[in-house]
Amino acid sequence: EAGVTQSPTHLIKTRGQQATLRCSPISGHTSVYWYQQALGLGLQFLLWYDEGEERNRGNFPPRFSGRQFPNYSSELNVNALELEDSALYLCASGRGRMDTQYFGPGTRLTVL
Amino acid sequence: AQSVTQPDIHITVSEGASLELRCNYSYGATPYLFWYVQSPGQGLQLLLKYFSGDTLVQGIKGFEAEFKRSQSSFNLRKPSVHWSDAAEYFCAVLTGGGNKLTFGTGTQLKVEL
Repeated sequence: EAGVTQSPTHLIKTRGQQATLRCSPISGHTSVYWYQQALGLGLQFLLWYDEGEERNRGNFPPRFSGRQFPNYSSELNVNALELEDSALYLCASGRGRMDTQYFGPGTRLTVL
Repeated sequence: AQSVTQPDIHITVSEGASLELRCNYSYGATPYLFWYVQSPGQGLQLLLKYFSGDTLVQGIKGFEAEFKRSQSSFNLRKPSVHWSDAAEYFCAVLTGGGNKLTFGTGTQLKVEL
């Protein structure tokens, strides 16, 4: 069974640009979760998508957004990039509320 | 507020020695608890989880953890550590109505040969 996949592996952007990160969940999973792992800030919950809808978001500004497609894959968009957005962005998938989350390898975003 | 505390930031053990990583949680309801492991620059791999039932849970790679409600703890153990176990370990609790993980700050494990 294929695991969660994320692309790209690395992404380098300059301040003010937009970044798009992609995630494909494990087959059969309908939920996708996004987390940010920034140096010194630990792992922070960003967003939860289930059945195509945004169900919950963490304490992040609106320039962090995303969507989930009919095949349950997901995009995370970060607009107006700031230096502090540099982090490892982890995607996880699961079967919904109160279920185990399985993580992908992450996308390393560097903002210059 | 729900939280997870991992009191040890760094731990060093000799290969073959036993290991215990501590985790304490603060959560009002019955917790759903997890341990994940992260190698440098990689994603998180699930080691084990506790939802209910037997308080001693077995995981992959020879790890186990014990849920102790009275102590609000979910400590991870391994009887004999291998050099390949060197990594960062995260304890987490499922919060927000069961749709987001709240993580501890992690414990960095170093294994001396």
